[in-house]
Amino acid sequence: DVKVTQSSRYLVKRTGEKVFLECVQDMDHENMFWYRQDPGLGLRLIYFSYDVKMKEKGDIPEGYSVSREKKERFSLILESASTNQTSMYLCASSLLLYSNQPQHFGDGTRLSIL
Amino acid sequence: DQQVKQNSPSLSVQEGRISILNCDYTNSMFDYFLWYKKYPAEGPTFLISISSIKDKNEDGRFTVFLNKSAKHLSLHIVPSQPGDSAVYFCAASPLFGNEKLTFGTGTRLTIIP
Repeated sequence: DVKVTQSSRYLVKRTGEKVFLECVQDMDHENMFWYRQDPGLGLRLIYFSYDVKMKEKGDIPEGYSVSREKKERFSLILESASTNQTSMYLCASSLLLYSNQPQHFGDGTRLSIL
Repeated sequence: DQQVKQNSPSLSVQEGRISILNCDYTNSMFDYFLWYKKYPAEGPTFLISISSIKDKNEDGRFTVFLNKSAKHLSLHIVPSQPGDSAVYFCAASPLFGNEKLTFGTGTRLTIIP
């Protein structure tokens, strides 16, 4: 079974802090994704990566950056946290570009910015 | 600009009856569609998918129907069980290309015992 692990289930940070959200997958998947989920808005893609050191912007990349130094790990960085980044953050992974394999999700990190 | 729409935020269905969840899309480049189920405090789990070369796909109690001309898909759950109570998201992507998925806003399904 695919396991996508997000380092924290709940996180509370202050405005202006630099925040790191970590995600690790154990299935040697090439693709990794970061989404945020907000009520009434569904899941929105922030960034994704289809290989080590590669990244692509999603629909809402502003205020975020990502890092993928190893295949199994994909980090989301809030450079200077703001209250409108309070949200549920979900990491996902999937096999191979162009294969249309379903994405597998972690259990999410609920981030509150005070 | 919501390219994938789930117009019913919530749905209540009696246990044992059929649950029908609907999803509409606007982007004609979408060719692959998925349904995910999400319980509170858990990540979404993949349920079933369909590509545009089919109009129906079944997996046990779950069937997805695709009407490409109407840009509409639906998920049927028969018979509905209490464990089906969850939020359901539909998602879409181009058949070939990257795997960027566009999600709908979700429908909360409640199964009444």
